[in-house]
Amino acid sequence: SQTIHQWPATLVQPVGSPLSLECTVEGTSNPNLYWYRQAAGRGLQLLFYSVGIGQISSEVPQNLSASRPQDRQFILSSKKLLLSDSGFYLCAWSWTGTRETQYFGPGTRLLVL
Amino acid sequence: QKEVEQNSGPLSVPEGAIASLNCTYSDRGSQSFFWYRQYSGKSPELIMSIYSNGDKEDGRFTAQLNKASQYVSLLIRDSQPSDSATYLCAAPNAGGTSYGKLTFGQGTILTVHP
Repeated sequence: SQTIHQWPATLVQPVGSPLSLECTVEGTSNPNLYWYRQAAGRGLQLLFYSVGIGQISSEVPQNLSASRPQDRQFILSSKKLLLSDSGFYLCAWSWTGTRETQYFGPGTRLLVL
Repeated sequence: QKEVEQNSGPLSVPEGAIASLNCTYSDRGSQSFFWYRQYSGKSPELIMSIYSNGDKEDGRFTAQLNKASQYVSLLIRDSQPSDSATYLCAAPNAGGTSYGKLTFGQGTILTVHP
């Protein structure tokens, strides 16, 4: 079976500090990977998606970046955090193909102070 | 116009009642639809997917799809307090499969009171 992990689970960071969130998937190969942000009381905003190693597409302009150094590893980064970066960051995966079903990791709650 | 819209709620139903959650979508080409449940502070969890017109039942959950009306719904029978959560509707992004990208509705908060 497939499992998706995210860490850390929670993070409190000062404004201007760097960020690195990690997501890994087990039990599948060549998955599509996604990063979402959910602000408090808001819907899911797709930030990045990746269909393969080194292939990253950005959905919205922002001070965040993503990388996929390995097939089942997806990393979300920032050089300098803003207050507006606070939120619940969710990683998801889906099979390559046409059914689009996405499965979410447990999430990382980020608070920027 | 939002691509996926849900009834805004919040929706409150008594225990044992049927909860009805609704969703409309704008892309007539969408072929698959998903319902996720999200408990407070947790990540979304897939509960139903539906690809064909009509009803799909899974335990107490029934998803209904009407492609002509661009409407998908989720019925929860015999609602339990443990069903209290935010329910998210999702459909593929307009313009095709687009690498499996989904557009999510804003969610409907459901509260089941004893």
